[in-house]
Amino acid sequence: QVQLVESGGGVVQPGRSLRLSCAASGFTFSSYGMHWVRQAPGKGLEWVALIWYDATNKYYSGSVRGRFTISRDNAKNTLYLQMNSLRPEDTAVYYCARGSGWYSSNFDYWGQGTLVTVSS
Amino acid sequence: QSALTQPASVSGSPGQSITISCTGTSSDVGGYEFVSWYQHHPGKAPKLMIYEVRNRPSGVSNRFSGSKSANTASLTISGLQAEDEADYYCCSYTSTNTQVFGTGTKVTVL
Repeated sequence: QVQLVESGGGVVQPGRSLRLSCAASGFTFSSYGMHWVRQAPGKGLEWVALIWYDATNKYYSGSVRGRFTISRDNAKNTLYLQMNSLRPEDTAVYYCARGSGWYSSNFDYWGQGTLVTVSS
Repeated sequence: QSALTQPASVSGSPGQSITISCTGTSSDVGGYEFVSWYQHHPGKAPKLMIYEVRNRPSGVSNRFSGSKSANTASLTISGLQAEDEADYYCCSYTSTNTQVFGTGTKVTVL
């Protein structure tokens, strides 16, 4: 069955960096676009980034563009999110999700999430 | 990109029907047939309930249905059950090749 397992979360000081990973299994990872979505404490879901199945295109929300980088290693079935210049408002549970359908616009499987806390 | 607008809360008694609206613009909801809906129980992974406006994934109850008119999409839950109590989010593809979620709606079963 499809499994997505995030890791790499933790407590980090403002201005520092962190890299999240999402290990995928149970499907042909290299055939699907992949997303990162986050949820700040007490807030709603916020889309963060999308990477196409072959990594030829990447898209970001305005709140992270220029600071976060999405990437993937199809040989390792792993998705990444490199987060630089972290801010307190980046504190959230980060989910990876598989994209399906046109423009990978449906998030049909999700991981359980990893918590990132940005605090001094 | 501003979040799509949803009512903060909707409630209903068991067996009743409720509808959650999701209002955007012509650059997102109104411009594409790529609206999806997610059910989120706190502490769990969100679950896809409706995709591409009105399609149900395999395994999702037919009590859930979706529709769209102009810049507003809707999710209807019929025959409301206790297990439907959760947060619900709409999401749309946008003209800048990004995605935008709705503000979220807390559904309460009275």
